[in-house]
Amino acid sequence: AQSVSQHNHHVILSEAASLELGCNYSYGGTVNLFWYVQYPGQHLQLLLKYFSGDPLVKGIKGFEAEFIKSKFSFNLRKPSVQWSDTAEYFCAASNFGNEKLTFGTGTRLTIIP
Amino acid sequence: GAVVSQHPSWVICKSGTSVKIECRSLDFQATTMFWYRQFPKQSLMLMATSNEGSKATYEQGVEKDKFLINHASLTLSTLTVTSAHPEDSSFYICSASRDYALNEQFFGPGTRLTVL
Repeated sequence: AQSVSQHNHHVILSEAASLELGCNYSYGGTVNLFWYVQYPGQHLQLLLKYFSGDPLVKGIKGFEAEFIKSKFSFNLRKPSVQWSDTAEYFCAASNFGNEKLTFGTGTRLTIIP
Repeated sequence: GAVVSQHPSWVICKSGTSVKIECRSLDFQATTMFWYRQFPKQSLMLMATSNEGSKATYEQGVEKDKFLINHASLTLSTLTVTSAHPEDSSFYICSASRDYALNEQFFGPGTRLTVL
């Protein structure tokens, strides 16, 4: 069965610390991968997505993610976090040519000023 | 661009009543709309996929007769929770896709349903 796993449920960091959130997927076929962010009281927004090509994907607000096929991973990174990055982060996947998304359970990120 | 709205943002109803939630794409025509359910501190679970003018496709385990989805136009989809019960209390989120090739969904702000 298709699934997306996020092992970090709650991450607490100080401002300026580096961030890496894990995401692993279990999908047959060609996979499209996404990271979404949900700021407190707001709707889900797309941070970045990977369909093909360069496995290092850059997104908005200084975030990037690396697709490592051999590890079935798509970890999200940011070199220096800010207080405004406090939010819930969701990894998601879909099969190529299929719009249906499977979401991970999410990681709550808390940045301490 | 690519704004999706939902109405209402929250609703409280009595057990046994029906509740309708609207999802609108405000500045684009949505080829496909999706309905998700999110339980507290859990992920989004896809309930159904709908295309304008055709019947919705429901995910396994989702009751079609309980969660009625109507996609009457390219900018509007509605989810009706029929004969709601307390276990239907949840956060319902819709999303819309405007280009199948781009495979990108734009999410609404969600509707908090509480059934007493």
